[in-house]
Amino acid sequence: GNSVTQMEGPVTLSEEAFLTINCTYTATGYPSLFWYVQYPGEGLQLLLKATKADDKGSNKGFEATYRKETTSFHLEKGSVQVSDSAVYFCALTQRGAAGNKLTFGGGTRVLVKP
Amino acid sequence: GAGVSQSPSNKVTEKGKDVELRCDPISGHTALYWYRQRLGQGLEFLIYFQGNSAPDKSGLPSDRFSAERTGESVSTLTIQRTQQEDSAVYLCASSLVPNGDTIYFGEGSWLTVV
Repeated sequence: GNSVTQMEGPVTLSEEAFLTINCTYTATGYPSLFWYVQYPGEGLQLLLKATKADDKGSNKGFEATYRKETTSFHLEKGSVQVSDSAVYFCALTQRGAAGNKLTFGGGTRVLVKP
Repeated sequence: GAGVSQSPSNKVTEKGKDVELRCDPISGHTALYWYRQRLGQGLEFLIYFQGNSAPDKSGLPSDRFSAERTGESVSTLTIQRTQQEDSAVYLCASSLVPNGDTIYFGEGSWLTVV
């Protein structure tokens, strides 16, 4: 079956530091890959996505590149802000399969200190 | 509506009682999903609706859990004879079409069983 593994948190950083959250996946076929973010007290929001190999998703200064050869979709941001403190979830969905069921990683809590 | 709406936002119930959680998906979205997020853990898929039918209910943890959707709109997740391990955030999500489309989440219903 499909699975997503992401680095465990919490990750604590200072403002303007570089952030990387590792994500690797196992899936048959050609999944679409996503990063979702959950800010304190808010619902889950789509941060970025990539639907095929070598695609780069980007949003709000975050980037992730779909690497089929390493089955990875690592999230990066060059200079984090306090407002980036949140829980980040890597996820995949199997294109072409019935439904659009997301398989999530366990989430990585990020805390950015001033 | 503008987003996925869930109610109640918070529910405290006594062990053994039944609870109903409601989801209003984004208007026009044909696909609807329920997920569960236990404290400190990732999201678990529960059930997927396409229109009013549920082609995938593989994630429902036991026969105490059921869900229905009417009018290709509102969905209700019912948990009978609640147990303490049912305490979690129950997240509803919807997408315009079932395959390959972005899934949008509600803010969740926080259920505490005491």
